[in-house]
Amino acid sequence: GAVVSQHPSRVICKSGTSVKIECRSLDFQATTMFWYRQFPKKSLMLMATSNEGSKATYEQGVEKDKFLINHASLTLSTLTVTSAHPEDSSFYICSARGQLSGRGIGELFFGEGSRLTVL
Amino acid sequence: GENVEQHPSTLSVQEGDSAVIKCTYSDSASNYFPWYKQELGKGPQLIIDIRSNVGEKKDQRIAVTLNKTAKHFSLHITETQPEDSAVYFCAASIKETSGSRLTFGEGTQLTVNP
Repeated sequence: GAVVSQHPSRVICKSGTSVKIECRSLDFQATTMFWYRQFPKKSLMLMATSNEGSKATYEQGVEKDKFLINHASLTLSTLTVTSAHPEDSSFYICSARGQLSGRGIGELFFGEGSRLTVL
Repeated sequence: GENVEQHPSTLSVQEGDSAVIKCTYSDSASNYFPWYKQELGKGPQLIIDIRSNVGEKKDQRIAVTLNKTAKHFSLHITETQPEDSAVYFCAASIKETSGSRLTFGEGTQLTVNP
């Protein structure tokens, strides 16, 4: 299957600093990438949808100035948590959708997730 | 919007037994139903999916059934093994729409006891 790489897998930062998480599609071009947040023992909560070359679409209740998303190329999307606070501590997961030869349109593949801890 | 409900939230079975997880969805336009397995501290991994033009799909010990009329779909795992222990999520989407997103169920914690 396709590979989506997410980096870093774990990050610890001080309150007030900004943290950038990268999501890369390694063997396909991702026309759309999604960013999720997952709380312990909960389901994935969609934060935003980003399409290459355009502004991200944020879900209701997600602060776009707090969670900056950039999808500058067909293989890379980044999520920047600005001025992080302890309540931003969470597991962040990206997924990428693209078209692979021999497979159906729009298969969705997930990264391994990034555990953010804000002290 | 789409609403996906998943049951049970926890499921404990003995090794070798079968496990069944059920989901219902609300949007009759949904036509793509994937199932994901998530191990602790990792991202979800697609284990099987089904499109609305088929009623059943099987891949070795894993099978998924879809009832479009009733708007429910189920995951069946036979001959369970301890390594099947994980959280399983069902999801639904309108697959062919550009940018369409998945709506997830709340997850089922499956524990397979040796």
